[in-house]
Amino acid sequence: RKEVEQDPGPFNVPEGATVAFNCTYSNSASQSFFWYRQDCRKEPKLLMSVYSSGNEDGRFTAQLNRASQYISLLIRDSKLSDSATYLCVVERSYNTDKLIFGTGTRLQVFP
Amino acid sequence: DARVTQTPRHKVTEMGQEVTMRCQPILGHNTVFWYRQTMMQGLELLAYFRNRAPLDDSGMPKDRFSAEMPDATLATLKIQPSEPRDSAVYFCASGPPGDPANTGELFFGEGSRLTVL
Repeated sequence: RKEVEQDPGPFNVPEGATVAFNCTYSNSASQSFFWYRQDCRKEPKLLMSVYSSGNEDGRFTAQLNRASQYISLLIRDSKLSDSATYLCVVERSYNTDKLIFGTGTRLQVFP
Repeated sequence: DARVTQTPRHKVTEMGQEVTMRCQPILGHNTVFWYRQTMMQGLELLAYFRNRAPLDDSGMPKDRFSAEMPDATLATLKIQPSEPRDSAVYFCASGPPGDPANTGELFFGEGSRLTVL
């Protein structure tokens, strides 16, 4: 089983739609979670952290479910510029500095 | 704008040749990570350094890969001999002092796209 698993997609949604991605992780000792965004043929960039209580940044909401070991990313009112691959990132285990990336979920927003 | 610089951006080589990729982390950052990205495997952690000391290279094929930080401004990843299965994009990322795993804040270079024929 992979340490971090994501549905590769692609998710094709119209502008204005709400879309959600899930990611599961295998190590229950993991404490830190993040979402990164990667545009085509570009480097990954941090989108947001995922806190235990859930957190929101504009149209983006991230949530963590420790019991089921998954994190989610919700994007409301999708824009064309949201088209990218979204990478789920998990610290391998507590206090290790090792950030493990999922293979990513591709989102394509169409007009 | 501070950024991580990687060279070369593209490299095409033949099987058996030595390949060296270089990375200049952001000034003041003390953690450096090497990742490899392929379509099938995604981003795989190869090695990482804190304050120039190698902390973990368990993700790296030891027989052919080596990673070093000769000084705070340069990290290198070497493959010798290279094989077609090494074809991938190799990313270097650096993190500011503190705990990257707490902030998740890694700054990636643009990557080195390697093709081994």
